[in-house]
Amino acid sequence: AQSVTQLDSQVPVFEEAPVELRCNYSSSVSVYLFWYVQYPNQGLQLLLKYLSGSTLVKGINGFEAEFNKSQTSFHLRKPSVHISDTAEYFCAGIFNDYKLSFGAGTTVTVRA
Amino acid sequence: DTAVSQTPKYLVTQMGNDKSIKCEQNLGHDTMYWYKQDSKKFLKIMFSYNNKELIINETVPNRFSPKSPDKAHLNLHINSLELGDSAVYFCASTPTDSITQYFGPGTRLTVL
Repeated sequence: AQSVTQLDSQVPVFEEAPVELRCNYSSSVSVYLFWYVQYPNQGLQLLLKYLSGSTLVKGINGFEAEFNKSQTSFHLRKPSVHISDTAEYFCAGIFNDYKLSFGAGTTVTVRA
Repeated sequence: DTAVSQTPKYLVTQMGNDKSIKCEQNLGHDTMYWYKQDSKKFLKIMFSYNNKELIINETVPNRFSPKSPDKAHLNLHINSLELGDSAVYFCASTPTDSITQYFGPGTRLTVL
């Protein structure tokens, strides 16, 4: 079955420290991958996406992700987080059924 | 502002009632979606419409009925509300030449 798995449910991190959120996908066909962010009591905002081409994708707010086909991963990184990065982060994929399938989400809490 | 908008933002109602949530996008997108986010923040697609035509209908109770009066609107009507319907419902849309989905701010439905 085609799916997206987020390996960490919660990631606490100190302000100005780097953060990595792990996402793996399961698919034998082509996949399009996305990271969305949900700030408290708000909707989903697209951070970045991988459709094709360069495997290193840069998004908004200083985030980037790398598509790794051999590892079937699409981990999200930021070199230095701010308090305002506290949010829920969702990895999602579109497989051959053209439906957006979400991972379970990772809660990032940034502490001063 | 160009965006995906939803009304109402919050909806509190009693079991057994019938309610509707409205979604509008003025982005000129052709495809619209409804998602349900449960209490554990898991997101799952419910329906998708393309130019007023239903193209995705996941395993959702018949009490849920989407209606698309035109391609800019996708409303969700729910009959005989149950406690388990309490969730945040998100509308999203996609342009014809893209698979990237843009989400609305969500409607938090609470069934008492």
